[in-house]
Amino acid sequence: AQTVTQSQPEMSVQEAETVTLSCTYDTSESDYYLFWYKQPPSRQMILVIRQEAYKQQNATENRFSVNFQKAAKSFSLKISDSQLGDAAMYFCAYRSFFGNEKLTFGTGTRLTIIP
Amino acid sequence: EAGVAQSPRYKIIEKRQSVAFWCNPISGHATLYWYQQILGQGPKLLIQFQNNGVVDDSQLPKDRFSAERLKGVDSTLKIQPAKLEDSAVYLCASSSLAGHSYNEQFFGPGTRLTVL
Repeated sequence: AQTVTQSQPEMSVQEAETVTLSCTYDTSESDYYLFWYKQPPSRQMILVIRQEAYKQQNATENRFSVNFQKAAKSFSLKISDSQLGDAAMYFCAYRSFFGNEKLTFGTGTRLTIIP
Repeated sequence: EAGVAQSPRYKIIEKRQSVAFWCNPISGHATLYWYQQILGQGPKLLIQFQNNGVVDDSQLPKDRFSAERLKGVDSTLKIQPAKLEDSAVYLCASSSLAGHSYNEQFFGPGTRLTVL
């Protein structure tokens, strides 16, 4: 079974600064997807960014980018130019490439933006 | 495009009572998921439907939880009887279809259940 670990329960960053959230995972599969989801206080989970394991290039979406290290099974999220609206819980998630599409989530990191 | 709708948003019940949650997925989405999110934890899949058939219910406590998806559209998750440890947010998600290609899961706002 796959597991996802987020070792930072809480993080804070000054507005306009850069912050990196950590995620490690364990799997025996070679093909899979990794995701970062954002969950604001209203509770609606929103996809921030995804990475296909077969792609060597790190995914980027505007101010959000990932550092995917397949051999180390590490998948960190970098948020540049942090904004007040980035404050939320951030979940790292894993999905197998084949078969069941269920997501396996980490325990989350609560990100606080300091004005 | 309307998102995933869930109701109620909040529910407070006493232990041993019954409760039901409703989910209306995005129109045309064949796959529907129910996740349980206990405070301080990430969401955990309870059950996955494709159309009106069950794909995965391996983590559903079947002695007290049940779910159905009539006509492959709306879904209802029921707990009977509820226990204190069922206090959680119940998230519904949907995606366009299951298969080998990537299909994004879209989440609803969730139902926060408190069992006293």
